[in-house]
Order: sequence, then structure tokens, then C-alpha cells
Amino acid sequence: GAVVSQHPSRVICKSGTSVKIECRSLDFQATTMFWYRQFPKQSLMLMATSNEGSKATYEQGVEKDKFLINHASLTLSTLTVTSAHPEDSSFYICSASWDNEQYFGPGTRLTVT
Amino acid sequence: RKEVEQDPGPFNVPEGATVAFNCTYSNSASQSFFWYRQDCRKEPKLLMSVYSSGNEDGRFTAQLNRASQYISLLIRDSKLSDSATYLCVVNSRGGGNKLTFGTGTQLKVEL
Repeated sequence: GAVVSQHPSRVICKSGTSVKIECRSLDFQATTMFWYRQFPKQSLMLMATSNEGSKATYEQGVEKDKFLINHASLTLSTLTVTSAHPEDSSFYICSASWDNEQYFGPGTRLTVT
Repeated sequence: RKEVEQDPGPFNVPEGATVAFNCTYSNSASQSFFWYRQDCRKEPKLLMSVYSSGNEDGRFTAQLNRASQYISLLIRDSKLSDSATYLCVVNSRGGGNKLTFGTGTQLKVEL
């Protein structure tokens, strides 16, 4: 099956700083990638759809200026959490579409202190 | 009302038991349905797609009732390694491959 990687797997940052998370499709090209967030004991919530070469589409309630998404190539999408706050602490997971199936990255656990 | 609803559990069952999970979805225009498995602090992994005719994969059987907007997953002869959270997932946006996840049902299989 297709492989999607994420980096870093875990990050701790101070309140007010920015954090960049990378999502890569390792053995296929993905024109569309998705970013999800999962709080403890809750479901994955779609944050935005990342389209290669164009602006991301954000879900209702997700601040596009706070969660910056860049999809500059067919194998890489990045999510930058700007001016992070403790309430942004969560598990961030990306996925990439290939052959009508979504493949998930291993996730990034963000802790903001 | 949530788009995809599941009983959160946990379901604690002995090894070898049969266990059934239920899920309902609110969008009648939903087109594709899946069960994913998520282990603690890991990403979700596709367990199986769910088809209108029902489908089986080894010990796992999935059923879909479009009229009732209801999806089920049956696990027979449960193993310790089946312990995980099972996520009911629906593609309800009419294309674009956007998935909506239920909160998941936690299964604990015990000796």
C-alpha cells in the first residue's frame, strides 16, 4: 500500500511560537492531502483540504490565518500552527488520496506549554 | 446531531467472543462507508469498506442499511489483538474524498 510520513512525530513548544508539520507521500503523487485534528477521546475532525498548487480549503470554524497550509509539490504538504496556544495541543494527522483511497500519516502529537 | 454516531463503549469481551458495533449517519446523500481501526496514539488504518450487499473479510463482517442509515461491524472469535478503537467513517460530501469520522467504539478483548 501507499506510504505517508509525517514529521515530527512529537513536538513540544512554548505558547506564542509557531510549529511546522510536514506530510509526505513517499511512493506516490498526491494532488490532494487532508489535515485532521484529534483531541483525546474525540473523533478525527477535518481541518482543511490541501490542493497542490492552489489555496487550501478550510472547514468551517478553522482559522486559515492560524493554520497555514502549503502544498507546493505533489509529495509534500505542510501545516504551520502559528502563535500556538495550549488549546492547540492535539494529535494532528494528515492523509493523502491515491487510487480512491486515503492513506494516513502516523500523526504528530503537539503539546503547547 | 453528529453526522456519524457510535456507541463509545468500552466493550469488554472475553477472547473468542462475538461482538457487534453499530453506527448511524445523518446525511442520506452519503456515498461511501468504511470501518477503520485506531490503536492508542496511532493513526487510523482502514479495516474494510462497507458495501450495500454486505461484505466479509475473515472474522469481520460489515453491513450497510441505506434505508435506516445504519452501518454495523461484526467481529467473530475475537482475539486479544483486536483490542482497539473502531471508527465508523462516511464519505458524505459527494466527491472530493472527504471523510467524516465517528468518535469510535473502544473494544477491549480480555483473557
